[in-house]
Amino acid sequence: DAGITQSPRYKITETGRQVTLMCHQTWSHSYMFWYRQDLGHGLRLIYYSAAADITDKGEVPDGYVVSRSKTENFPLTLESATRSQTSVYFCASSEADGDEQFFGPGTRLTVL
Amino acid sequence: RKEVEQDPGPFNVPEGATVAFNCTYSNSASQSFFWYRQDCRKEPKLLMSVYSSGNEDGRFTAQLNRASQYISLLIRDSKLSDSATYLCVVNEYNQGGKLIFGQGTELSVKP
Repeated sequence: DAGITQSPRYKITETGRQVTLMCHQTWSHSYMFWYRQDLGHGLRLIYYSAAADITDKGEVPDGYVVSRSKTENFPLTLESATRSQTSVYFCASSEADGDEQFFGPGTRLTVL
Repeated sequence: RKEVEQDPGPFNVPEGATVAFNCTYSNSASQSFFWYRQDCRKEPKLLMSVYSSGNEDGRFTAQLNRASQYISLLIRDSKLSDSATYLCVVNEYNQGGKLIFGQGTELSVKP
């Protein structure tokens, strides 16, 4: 089924552990994005990528690492999870600069 | 000043009502404009793009005023299923494809 998928959909982890959230899109979109959404903050951009092997920081990048070796995948890693990283994480993609973004279903992460 | 500002919510309206959402953006170089809908912390979904000439999709009408840097969304004959948070979104060219999201306005349509 074409589209954008995220895994896992739900994750509970402990403080200090490394966690990787996966994002996969089948449209061959050039641009991919990671957001987090917390109550009272709306969507905040963590990292984005304009193409494979090109990534850049967004508004709240601290504590996160991304890579993009293939166009279709854009994993987000929390190197040492903290409670403040408890959030809903959305991945999105767009075909070109200026286009609308299509969002994945989200990953609900809880850090204990 | 926030880059994209929306009316504070929530809006509580009866079924059949007409409701209007307003949004202002700060960067006059902005090129693309959208309204997204988000249900109960599910993923945001594109409702409609906003064009300079205005556009309509069934009960929904979006308008853009570049001179005033103002975007609006009008919903006519509100349905219970319209209850959601509506996000005003602005894109800037040559900024890595980034979108700037407003905080959203919550709409609750009551029977």
